[in-house]
Amino acid sequence: GAVVSQHPSRVICKSGTSVKIECRSLDFQATTMFWYRQFPKQSLMLMATSNEGSKATYEQGVEKDKFLINHASLTLSTLTVTSAHPEDSSFYICSARSQGGGPQHFGDGTRLSIL
Amino acid sequence: AQKVTQAQTEISVVEKEDVTLDCVYETRDTTYYLFWYKQPPSGELVFLIRRNSFDEQNEISGRYSWNFQKSTSSFNFTITASQVVDSAVYFCALTREGTSGSRLTFGEGTQLTVNP
Repeated sequence: GAVVSQHPSRVICKSGTSVKIECRSLDFQATTMFWYRQFPKQSLMLMATSNEGSKATYEQGVEKDKFLINHASLTLSTLTVTSAHPEDSSFYICSARSQGGGPQHFGDGTRLSIL
Repeated sequence: AQKVTQAQTEISVVEKEDVTLDCVYETRDTTYYLFWYKQPPSGELVFLIRRNSFDEQNEISGRYSWNFQKSTSSFNFTITASQVVDSAVYFCALTREGTSGSRLTFGEGTQLTVNP
């Protein structure tokens, strides 16, 4: 149980492209989903907390117009990196927490490479 | 503010050795949860354990064991008879009790390499 699916697993695209990443909870309903960013050999940095049906809460220093988050249902949240540039290249990983509480369960992550 | 410190950046052992990964945390909350996650080279984060701050019992799961000591604010993780497949980055994390919006504070991670 508690499976989180993240898609795509890898994206390589040109600078200026917008990229959408999906995060789905497959066997549970997630009131809250989280988006993290991880640079090589570093820890996970929380970018934003996404609550179903409301606006995401962004961490300090994260541009909300750059990283658009939509959490339209209890099983799906999306992160769109708008007009991506090489410095946006990173590993993005989402997590979801069940309505009933419990630990965050993570997706497999998305490696984003902007050329 | 919450903080998690994993002082060991990298650990290298030979297969079948026991290895302990240290985790020290700081929090002002009286109720909180501690976690360990494993991140293999493929990148996904695998949940290993969650421990409530009121439960100081040590836990064993197969070759894995955890030692939670509130007096020293530590939550150490031991792998017994390590195997090559244990090679990964291990993260300790902390969250305050309660709402579904509780955010995780991660340590910097410990890269464990188990050599054959």
